[in-house]
This record gives sequence, C-alpha cells and structure tokens, in this order.
Amino acid sequence: AQSVTQLGSHVSVSEGALVLLRCNYSSSVPPYLFWYVQYPNQGLQLLLKYTTGATLVKGINGFEAEFKKSETSFHLTKPSAHMSDAAEYFCAVEVDTGRRALTFGSGTRLQVQP
Amino acid sequence: EPEVTQTPSHQVTQMGQEVILRCVPISNHLYFYWYRQILGQKVEFLVSFYNNEISEKSEIFDDQFSVERPDGSNFTLKIRSTKLEDSAMYFCASRTGTIGGGYTFGSGTRLTVV
Repeated sequence: AQSVTQLGSHVSVSEGALVLLRCNYSSSVPPYLFWYVQYPNQGLQLLLKYTTGATLVKGINGFEAEFKKSETSFHLTKPSAHMSDAAEYFCAVEVDTGRRALTFGSGTRLQVQP
Repeated sequence: EPEVTQTPSHQVTQMGQEVILRCVPISNHLYFYWYRQILGQKVEFLVSFYNNEISEKSEIFDDQFSVERPDGSNFTLKIRSTKLEDSAMYFCASRTGTIGGGYTFGSGTRLTVV
C-alpha cells in the first residue's frame, strides 16, 4: 500500500524567505502526487499535482514542486514566503491500482513571521 | 468554479444520536468520497462511492457508518449511533473518472459529539 511522510509538523519562516516543505512517498507503482493547502477553518484546496510528464510542476500562489523518482520525493517550494501562506499543507498520493483514493501525509503547519 | 457544498458547517450532537452529513458534489463528477480529520491529525479516507454503490471503504468505516446518494445530487454520510471519538471534521470530495485528475473537496462539517 502507498504511504506519505511529511518531515516536520511545523515549519516557521520569515516573510520573504524560501519555503521548503518536505514530502516523501512510498509506492510500488507510479504515483500521482498532490499538495493541498488548508487555511484555518476551511476545506482542502489543491495547490498542484504531478501525474506524468514534466517533473517540475507549478501551482497556484507561486508554489512549485519537483517529482524526484530516485529520491521518492515531492517537496513543495516557494521562493519568497508571504504572510498569507500561513496554513496547513498536506501532501497526498494516489495510484492506479488497489485503493483509488488519496492517501494523505500528516501535514505541515507553515508559520510566516513578519 | 464548480464547488462541492457541505451542510451543515458545524453540528453538535449527543453521544448515541444519529447524524446525517450532507454533500452536493460537482454535477459531472463520477466518484464521491468521505474523509475525516480528527483535530490535529491527518486526513483519513473513509469511503468511496461510484455508480450508486460503495467501491471501497476503510477500516474506520464500520457498521455505524453508511452512505447514500438518494436523489442523484446529494451524497450523505450517516453515523447511526455517534461516539465521542467520532468528533472530527468530515470532508466530502468528488472527482471525474480520470485517475490523477484531482479531487475537489468541500469546506467540511465539524462534528462535535458531547
């Protein structure tokens, strides 16, 4: 079965600094990978996804992520953090066999300091 | 942009009572899901629904839970006899038939069992 590990339950950065949120996955078949963001008291919003093709994917709000098969990673980055980026970020994986549903990581809460 | 709508946004119920959480998925989506998120924990898969029947369910989805799509637009989750540990945020999601196509989540129903 597939799984997702997010290193760091809390990450704090200064406004304008690089954001790096780590995600590693485990899957015996090619994965589809997603990052979702959850603002306080809101639902899950899709930031970006990797299915096939280009391994560097760009999403909304200036975020991007790179699929690295050799490292089984899909880290999320943003060059310059903004106060409005403060939220919980979830990495998720889906595969085309077995359970066709998202499997989520435990989430990383991003704090942005002024 | 099409949305998944969930009602109510908050529900407080007494232990042992039945609750029904409601969702209106996106109209041309084919797959429907319920996930839950216990406070401070990861988002967990409960059940998937396709072609008017459950396609998969997790070990969490025991006999106390049921789902149905009574009228072709609503998708409901019923908990027959609520327990304290059922307190969580419940998310409905829907997607098209394409694997990796991304899921659209509702804003969630916060269920508190007292």
